[in-house]
Amino acid sequence: GQNIDQPTEMTATEGAIVQINCTYQTSGFNGLFWYQQHAGEAPTFLSYNVLDGLEEKGRFSSFLSRSKGYSYLLLKELQMKDSASYLCAVRDPAGSYQLTFGKGTKLSVIP
Amino acid sequence: DADVTQTPRNRITKTGKRIMLECSQTKGHDRMYWYRQDPGLGLQLIYYSFDVKDINKGEISDGYSVSRQAQAKFSLSLESAIPNQTALYFCATSGGGLQETQYFGPGTRLLVL
Repeated sequence: GQNIDQPTEMTATEGAIVQINCTYQTSGFNGLFWYQQHAGEAPTFLSYNVLDGLEEKGRFSSFLSRSKGYSYLLLKELQMKDSASYLCAVRDPAGSYQLTFGKGTKLSVIP
Repeated sequence: DADVTQTPRNRITKTGKRIMLECSQTKGHDRMYWYRQDPGLGLQLIYYSFDVKDINKGEISDGYSVSRQAQAKFSLSLESAIPNQTALYFCATSGGGLQETQYFGPGTRLLVL
C-alpha cells in the first residue's frame, strides 16, 4: 500500500515563497504528481517527477528524492489566486496507473 | 468545450434511491476513473477502467457499481444510496504514457438525505 503525508494547512504572504512538503512510504514507486485544486473545483495538473531532482515550470517547481521518499512543491512570487489546496499523488508501480492521493495542503495567501 | 464532462453537477436524493452519475470525455483516452472526495480525506479511488472490457475495483468500491458503455463514457451507480455516500464525485481520464497525468471532470456534488 501507499501512505502519503502532507501538512494540512499553510499560510503565506503575497509575493513570498512557500514550500509544501510531501513524504511517502510505498511498496514501490512509479512517479509523483502535484495537483492544484481550488475550493469546489476539479484538481488540475501542476507537475510530474519520476527521477530525483528539481523540475521548474515558471513560478512553480517540484523536487523529488526517491531515496528519502520526499517531494516538495515550491511556489514563488505568491499571488492571491494561488490560494488553493495542493495535492500530492504517487503512482502505483504495478502498471495499473492508479494514483494514491495525499489529503492535500490548504494554502491561504494573505495580503 | 470541456474535455471531461459530468452530469448532473448537483444532486439531492433520499436514502435507498438508485442514482447514476455520468461521465463523458472527448480526449480519446482509454483509461477512466471514478473518485470521491470528502473533506479532510482527500481523493479516494472507487473504480477504474482501462477499456470497454476492463473494469477494476478501487479502494472503496463497496456500495457502488460502474458501466463503461463506450470508450468515451463511464457511469457510476449507487444502487441504494446511503447518507455516508454524500460527497463530491470526480471522473478522470488519462492516456497511456508514463508521464500522462489524469484529467478531471468538474465534479458532481451529491447529497443523500
